[in-house]
Amino acid sequence: DTGVSQDPRHKITKRGQNVTFRCDPISEHNRLYWYRQTLGQGPEFLTYFQNEAQLEKSRLLSDRFSAERPKGSFSTLEIQRTEQGDSAMYLCASTRGEVYEQYFGPGTRLTVT
Amino acid sequence: AQKVTQAQTEISVVEKEDVTLDCVYETRDTTYYLFWYKQPPSGELVFLIRRNSFDEQNEISGRYSWNFQKSTSSFNFTITASQVVDSAVYFCALSEPNFGNEKLTFGTGTRLTIIP
Repeated sequence: DTGVSQDPRHKITKRGQNVTFRCDPISEHNRLYWYRQTLGQGPEFLTYFQNEAQLEKSRLLSDRFSAERPKGSFSTLEIQRTEQGDSAMYLCASTRGEVYEQYFGPGTRLTVT
Repeated sequence: AQKVTQAQTEISVVEKEDVTLDCVYETRDTTYYLFWYKQPPSGELVFLIRRNSFDEQNEISGRYSWNFQKSTSSFNFTITASQVVDSAVYFCALSEPNFGNEKLTFGTGTRLTIIP
């Protein structure tokens, strides 16, 4: 059974550059979530999809952030014009329904220099 | 608004001791779900347990047990006979699906160190 996968695992970029992360959920899971985790904190919700529909976005998700889930399978999270404050671990999770546990991927650690 | 408080930032115990991690939550609804996750040094969050608000029975899974008390809005986690492999950051989380609010709200975590 394949778990949630994320790519890349680490990304170092210069301020002002654009970055894109990918998440592949567990195959039968129709819900997909993005969270951000900074050092010493718990994960904070960013957005989620039910199939291909993006149903909720956090206020943390500024206009520089965009997420997609074409065809309801994998998802991408893009950050445009990165800032140093974007440095964090970006976590993806999936679940098969609203009341079920979310399974997390290994995360993508972003460092903006 | 949803809120989860894990007042214990760090705990250290000697191996084989029992340890309890506290979790207190705030919610608007009578129907909600509580979770515990483990984040080992490798970084990947590992699901431990899900509990719905109508099920107040305590649960035991091996060395792990959970005490859910709705009256005090607490969902505490006890590890019995701790082992070095239990060293990790533990997060308590809350969701309120009835508000169409499926996201998990996490506490700030408790870093548990088991001393050999």
